[in-house]
This record gives sequence, C-alpha cells and structure tokens, in this order.
Amino acid sequence: EAGVAQSPRYKIIEKRQSVAFWCNPISGHATLYWYQQILGQGPKLLIQFQNNGVVDDSQLPKDRFSAERLKGVDSTLKIQPAKLEDSAVYLCASSLRLASYEQYFGPGTRLTVT
Amino acid sequence: GENVEQHPSTLSVQEGDSAVIKCTYSDSASNYFPWYKQELGKRPQLIIDIRSNVGEKKDQRIAVTLNKTAKHFSLHITETQPEDSAVYFCAASSIGNNDMRFGAGTRLTVKP
Repeated sequence: EAGVAQSPRYKIIEKRQSVAFWCNPISGHATLYWYQQILGQGPKLLIQFQNNGVVDDSQLPKDRFSAERLKGVDSTLKIQPAKLEDSAVYLCASSLRLASYEQYFGPGTRLTVT
Repeated sequence: GENVEQHPSTLSVQEGDSAVIKCTYSDSASNYFPWYKQELGKRPQLIIDIRSNVGEKKDQRIAVTLNKTAKHFSLHITETQPEDSAVYFCAASSIGNNDMRFGAGTRLTVKP
C-alpha cells in the first residue's frame, strides 16, 4: 500500500516569509497528525484531525501556524510569518481512526528559516 | 498533559551486546506505548508497541516491558547489529484520542 506522502521535501525561506506544506495520508485513514521535530528532539504534536475536524491543536502556535483538512483527505500546514525557531522537520502521520493506535509517518519536510 | 522522559540520550554498545533504553511517563491514563526507530534523514518507523493490559512483548531480538505501577517502560535489543544504529523514540498515548507524546530520543551506536 502507498505510504503517507508529503511535499516539498525541503524548503529554505527567510524569516517573516510564509510557507505551506502538503500531506496526503494513507488511503482510508481518517486521522491525520502534524508533528514538528526540531533537530535532536522527539516529534512534537502540533495538530490532530479526525476527518476534516480538529481533535487537538493545543500545541499549535496559532498566531503564526494554521492547518486545514477541508475534504477529510489531504491537509496543508502553513506558517505565516516564519521565525528562525521554526526551522525543523515537519512530519505528517496518519492512522486508520482516532482510537486506532498505529501511526504511519511520511518522509517529512525539512524547513530552514534564515 | 502527558510528559515522557527517555534515558539515556546516547548509548554505544559493541556488536552482539544488549541495549536497554528506558522511558517514564506521567499520565496514568496512558495505555499505549510504541517505540519508533529513526535513521538519519528518514521517517520514524514503528518497531514494536505494547498496550497497558500486557507486561511484556517480544519480537525476535526486540522486547518491550511495561510497569504500569511505576509508570515506566523499556526497550531491550539483544544481539545488537550495526544496522540497529539509529535514534530510538519512545512514546505514550491514551485511549480514544491517540494524542501521542514522544520522548527526546536515544542515539544508539553499535560498533562492529
């Protein structure tokens, strides 16, 4: 089966610019997650969707980060404006449903903010 | 919310030796504990997991133990091989919301 797809794989922007990341989960997976992984740290959950509804966005810096999953399939994560500390790998993951445990990760987008 | 601590941050072993990585969690409602392996520049991959109704689970050279009373769980790798070298993350989540919290990771190096 096809895995979680993400694009772009790499992005370099200057601070105060905007950037968007795209994720396509495994077909049929209702739950989608966005994580931020700063170098040398574990992934940190930013937002969790169940179909097109937000389940948890308590760790999302809402003044600059936004995410949507309009049709309950693909999702986009946006940062506007970016700060230096946003440099990280942004991982998307999906699971079959909210109460199913196994999460499958995409390859990630490495963001560098200069 | 849940807080997961992981030790050690780095671990170096000789090929063939065993490696043990330990994690503690804070939320007694957590009932699912996966371990992920992440090679350099690659995505985290699930290698083994354990649920709260089980104390131990084994898959070939990898085993995980869980002590719910003490709120800690451990990953054991026996007969380590150079290809086991990677960063390993533990995580914890609770039923119903799958709100996964990760440890900071352990960089395992297996020397040939």
